[in-house]
Amino acid sequence: QVQLQESGPGLVKPSQTLSLTCTVSGGSIGNPDYYWSWVRQLPGKGLQWIGYINYSGKTYYNPSLKSRLSIPVDTSKNQFSLTVSSVTAADTAVYYCVRGGYDLGMDSWGQGILVTVSS
Amino acid sequence: QSVLTQPPSASATPGQRVTISCSGSSSNIGSNYVFWYQQLPGTAPKVLIYRNNRRPSGVPDRFSGSKSGTSASLAISGLRSEDEADYYCAAWDDSLSGHWVFGGGTKVTVL
Repeated sequence: QVQLQESGPGLVKPSQTLSLTCTVSGGSIGNPDYYWSWVRQLPGKGLQWIGYINYSGKTYYNPSLKSRLSIPVDTSKNQFSLTVSSVTAADTAVYYCVRGGYDLGMDSWGQGILVTVSS
Repeated sequence: QSVLTQPPSASATPGQRVTISCSGSSSNIGSNYVFWYQQLPGTAPKVLIYRNNRRPSGVPDRFSGSKSGTSASLAISGLRSEDEADYYCAAWDDSLSGHWVFGGGTKVTVL
């Protein structure tokens, strides 16, 4: 059974870059049946999709965040990452890394990591 | 402001049926599958319904999904206390090069 685990700093200063990594175990990130996504949840709010990368490196991003986003993948480590540049307090959220199936939906989620943007 | 519109809350007594609506547009629900996610307090979401009306293994048949045009709905029959959670609909949106969109979520309370 695939498992995903987020890692990275829990505190980022305003205007800096937020960087998170998701380590995937129990499944290959190169599997063409899946894509690898980031979803965030602002405090007390709903879910916001951030973006995803697929096995071939193709990326799709939330249009409202696209200019600040990057989702690179490291197949040798079975990891994918998220960078968000020029963060503000509005980027404070729990960030989830997620495996998605094109027909099955986002079927495996990490436990989530709280990232606070504050000086 | 979410692209998909859900009621913020719904409630019913144990054993009753509750229905949650999800309204979208031709670029998302109207042309793509709808998915439903359940988020229990303090946990990550899990997929409840995929491809409009299919249940992953392990999801009770008390949960059912449907879609018509640019709207979808999730029904929970025989409501149980452990169903108290937040529920989100989601669909792929073909506009702006394509992206996933979520509903704002519906908090289901078991009275």
